[in-house]
Amino acid sequence: AQKVTQAQTEISVVEKEDVTLDCVYETRDTTYYLFWYKQPPSGELVFLIRRNSFDEQNEISGRYSWNFQKSTSSFNFTITASQVVDSAVYFCALRRGGGGADGLTFGKGTHLIIQP
Amino acid sequence: NAGVTQTPKFRVLKTGQSMTLLCAQDMNHEYMYWYRQDPGMGLRLIHYSVGEGTTAKGEVPDGYNVSRLKKQNFLLGLESAAPSQTSVYFCASSTLGAGGKYEQFFGPGTRLTVL
Repeated sequence: AQKVTQAQTEISVVEKEDVTLDCVYETRDTTYYLFWYKQPPSGELVFLIRRNSFDEQNEISGRYSWNFQKSTSSFNFTITASQVVDSAVYFCALRRGGGGADGLTFGKGTHLIIQP
Repeated sequence: NAGVTQTPKFRVLKTGQSMTLLCAQDMNHEYMYWYRQDPGMGLRLIHYSVGEGTTAKGEVPDGYNVSRLKKQNFLLGLESAAPSQTSVYFCASSTLGAGGKYEQFFGPGTRLTVL
């Protein structure tokens, strides 16, 4: 069975601080995908990134960066110089690889509050 | 393209009433999914479909039925609503995921309250 753990239920930081959201996953599959989604107060799910298990390169997109480490089964997300607009619930998710129809296994989410 | 749309956006039901949530996608995706989101629980898979005329159970299927009569539509039914089904429901569709690529697209959600 697959599992995603986001141990941080809520994080509150002051604007311009850097913040890291942790994600630890469990799977027996050798091929899998990892995702991060953002859910702003408006409620929709916004796709941020997909990472394949065979690609351990870290990725940076503007103020966002992701650190994928298979050795520790972690896929952490860092926001640099946080802004109030970053306030949202962030979900980490896992899907097994291959071309099957499996859905995503989500973590419980981390509520990020950026205070002005 | 509209992507994934859901109807209705909000609904209030009384215990025992029935209703159907409609999901439509215009991306010609084979796979479609229904999730529910409860506070502090993340999203959990209810049912999914691998193609027209086929459906399968996910993690939390009890109390729900689904149908996929057309490729672009995926219906979620509640035959006798219960307060425990108060939740936000998300529909999603995805590509086949071949070649190392996989994309799942979510609808805007339906907020359902059962009194």
